[in-house]
Parts: sequence; structure tokens; C-alpha cells
Amino acid sequence: GAGVSQSPSNKVTEKGKDVELRCDPISGHTALYWYRQRLGQGLEFLIYFQGNSAPDKSGLPSDRFSAERTGESVSTLTIQRTQQEDSAVYLCASSLFLGNTIYFGEGSWLTVV
Amino acid sequence: DQQVKQNSPSLSVQEGRISILNCDYTNSMFDYFLWYKKYPAEGPTFLISISSIKDKNEDGRFTVFLNKSAKHLSLHIVPSQPGDSAVYFCAASSQTGANNLFFGTGTRLTVIP
Repeated sequence: GAGVSQSPSNKVTEKGKDVELRCDPISGHTALYWYRQRLGQGLEFLIYFQGNSAPDKSGLPSDRFSAERTGESVSTLTIQRTQQEDSAVYLCASSLFLGNTIYFGEGSWLTVV
Repeated sequence: DQQVKQNSPSLSVQEGRISILNCDYTNSMFDYFLWYKKYPAEGPTFLISISSIKDKNEDGRFTVFLNKSAKHLSLHIVPSQPGDSAVYFCAASSQTGANNLFFGTGTRLTVIP
């Protein structure tokens, strides 16, 4: 597609439930990133994928968070046993290659009640 | 530990005047810097970037200045327009090392008509 596509755009879930967020990067982009922004805070790096290399998971806040990417296509971010502090907008971004300018999707707004 | 800092959470400027947004960083390995603009309910969009081999980059009304010795960069918008009202994020990376962008917490610019 023309841009980074994310779904769902909005998700309200009950505490303790699992959620899955999807990202479809720009076609041909080898690098894919997940960030989140909690209310009143800056962008927080979560994880990135570069081609077939092992992902850098150093930003994941806990073992409840995991992400997968198949080849150079779609990625899913999974949050298990959601907590209220997980409420944030989860932003996916992609770039042509690592270190290049990254382009963001519109985000998935997650509210845990 | 915030490696990229935007110390002004907000800025108001009269239409037609210059807007100056500031950003400081602590990691001397950073060699690539970007500014992103974010409207409410949208993902950040790339605005302008600068490599550490330059001290200025200009694109229309937007100019980014880099002072490596002071570890400081700034974004100048002139003349400011009401449509420029948004949150501006400064970001930095090391093309030779780090694998992601480090973002500041953002500055909300309001351009008053």
C-alpha cells in the first residue's frame, strides 16, 4: 500500500484480556518498528525487525508483550493479560532499510478498562 | 534515561512570525536527526532531517540547525501558519550503531491566526 496501515484503529478491552495489533508496512520496506505513546509522554521504542535478522526486543516493557513479523510483510504485536498501564497509542513504522527515515502509521489506540 | 530532550512542552506563536523549536541530546554517537510532526489522532509524519556532516538543512519554510558541540538542534518555521499547529517530535539515531530512533517528548506548537 501507499502508507503504513494499522488495525484496529481503536480497541477497548477489559483488563486481563489479550489483544493483537496488526501492522502492514510500506511495500519494499525491510525495517519495521513498533513504538507506543502513553498519554502525556513521548514516543517509546518497543521492538524492531530488520529483514530476516533476529528482532531487537530491548524496548518491550514486559514478557506480556511479544511481536512477530513474517518475512518483510505484516507484523503483529500481542499484549497478553492487558493492564491499565498498557493503555496507549501503539504506532508502527517502517523504513526502506535500517537507519533510513521511518514512516509511521496512524496508530492503534488501545484502552484497557 | 531520556537521550533526546525537548524542554518546552508548548509554544505559541503569532501567524507570520518565526517558530523556533529546540531539542537537546546527550549521546555523542547520534549522527542523524529528524523532526516529525503529529496532528491529533494521526501518526507522526516525517518533516525534515539533518546528518551530522551538515549544520543546516532547509526545505521551504522549514530549516533545521545542528550544533554538534552543544548537542543541540532546532527547527525554525518561517513564516508560521495556523496549519503548522501540531506536536513536533525531535528524533535522533546513530547510523553506525543504534537500531532505532530516540524521540523527545514533543513540543506542542500553536500558531495563533
